[in-house]
Amino acid sequence: ETGVTQSPTHLIKTRGQQVTLRCSSQSGHNTVSWYQQALGQGPQFIFQYYREEENGRGNFPPRFSGLQFPNYSSELNVNALELDDSALYLCASSLARGPTYEQYFGPGTRLTVT
Amino acid sequence: TQLLEQSPQFLSIQEGENLTVYCNSSSVFSSLQWYRQEPGEGPVLLVTVVTGGEVKKLKRLTFQFGDARKDSSLHITAAQPGDTGLYLCAGAPTNAGKSTFGDGTTLTVKP
Repeated sequence: ETGVTQSPTHLIKTRGQQVTLRCSSQSGHNTVSWYQQALGQGPQFIFQYYREEENGRGNFPPRFSGLQFPNYSSELNVNALELDDSALYLCASSLARGPTYEQYFGPGTRLTVT
Repeated sequence: TQLLEQSPQFLSIQEGENLTVYCNSSSVFSSLQWYRQEPGEGPVLLVTVVTGGEVKKLKRLTFQFGDARKDSSLHITAAQPGDTGLYLCAGAPTNAGKSTFGDGTTLTVKP
């Protein structure tokens, strides 16, 4: 059984640029959620994808967007990067959508915006 | 305002000591999850509690879900340096539908 993988592991971007982060879900999982974790805080929910459609969104602006592909892998895109976007971005996969599910996280992508 | 409040924020103890960390809310949750996260890594699921009053044990870790399903605790017996990490609780309130995390308790166990 393959776990959740994310790429790249680290990324440095300049303010105003765009970034794409990638996630492969755990084998058999059809739901992917993305989180932003700032230093010293818990993960903040960005959005969730179930069967290629967005299924819930947190308090993040539209410049945060995503995709889920037929193989359930996913991308997180962030446009017009701001300094405050610097954080660890986590992807989590699960077997089902909805609030009461166990999530399995990838190692994260550390994004630094300068 | 955090929906899930975790306390204490930081805890530093000696190897062999016991400890309890808490996860509290004014909202009712259908379930709560506990995760452990090490620096530079993603959270790892430890346990899910579902029923009010439920107690689950994982070796030296004991998890309890409050009777009203608004709070949970994690007790570690005879802590070891390998228990060091950030302990996070997470769940979705029954009237909201979005999963939320607390800000965690950072535990340091000194040898």
